[in-house]
Amino acid sequence: SAVISQKPSRDICQRGTSLTIQCQVDSQVTMMFWYRQQPGQSLTLIATANQGSEATYESGFVIDKFPISRPNLTFSTLTVSNMSPEDSSIYLCSVSDRVNTEAFFGQGTRLTVV
Amino acid sequence: AQKITQTQPGMFVQEKEAVTLDCTYDTSDQSYGLFWYKQPSSGEMIFLIYQGSYDEQNATEGRYSLNFQKARKSANLVISASQLGDSAMYFCAMREGDTGFQKLVFGTGTRLLVSP
Repeated sequence: SAVISQKPSRDICQRGTSLTIQCQVDSQVTMMFWYRQQPGQSLTLIATANQGSEATYESGFVIDKFPISRPNLTFSTLTVSNMSPEDSSIYLCSVSDRVNTEAFFGQGTRLTVV
Repeated sequence: AQKITQTQPGMFVQEKEAVTLDCTYDTSDQSYGLFWYKQPSSGEMIFLIYQGSYDEQNATEGRYSLNFQKARKSANLVISASQLGDSAMYFCAMREGDTGFQKLVFGTGTRLLVSP
């Protein structure tokens, strides 16, 4: 099973600033996903991070607001840009591989925007 | 259309009793996977159990079992001998397709409270 380290685990940020969340996996994985969980809600996919190409964003999410990098098969970052209080959520990275059926999750980043 | 439906916002169970958390799904794919995750207050997502659409046997993992009824499109989670540490949010999720390349779609979750 993959071990995922996600940083930071939590942060309190001022509105208008940006935060970059890191996701490091202990093995090479094909697919990395970024999810958002707003307070009291379920998880919603933001985008799929593709190695060597631009991320694929879900409806309602745009690259200017959530730029993603995927420089190699073990690492990805998600930036939450120009934050507002509505961005207060838990952000989770998830990895999946062709071999395994399970989707592994990082510990999550609990973001509060004030 | 809602892909994953969890109709129980909250469930209560006494310690040592069994509890069933409901999940129904909607897909036109023949190949898909169903997942259950536990999310404690810390926010991490803990994988519990997986059922593939072609698996004939119901999946089991320790105290967790998945009651898979394909014709009814239901994938209920059964927790036997509940423990206080089982108190958490539980999410049902589905992956369409037969590889790990597809995203997970989550239900709205069920909050389980285990009382002494």
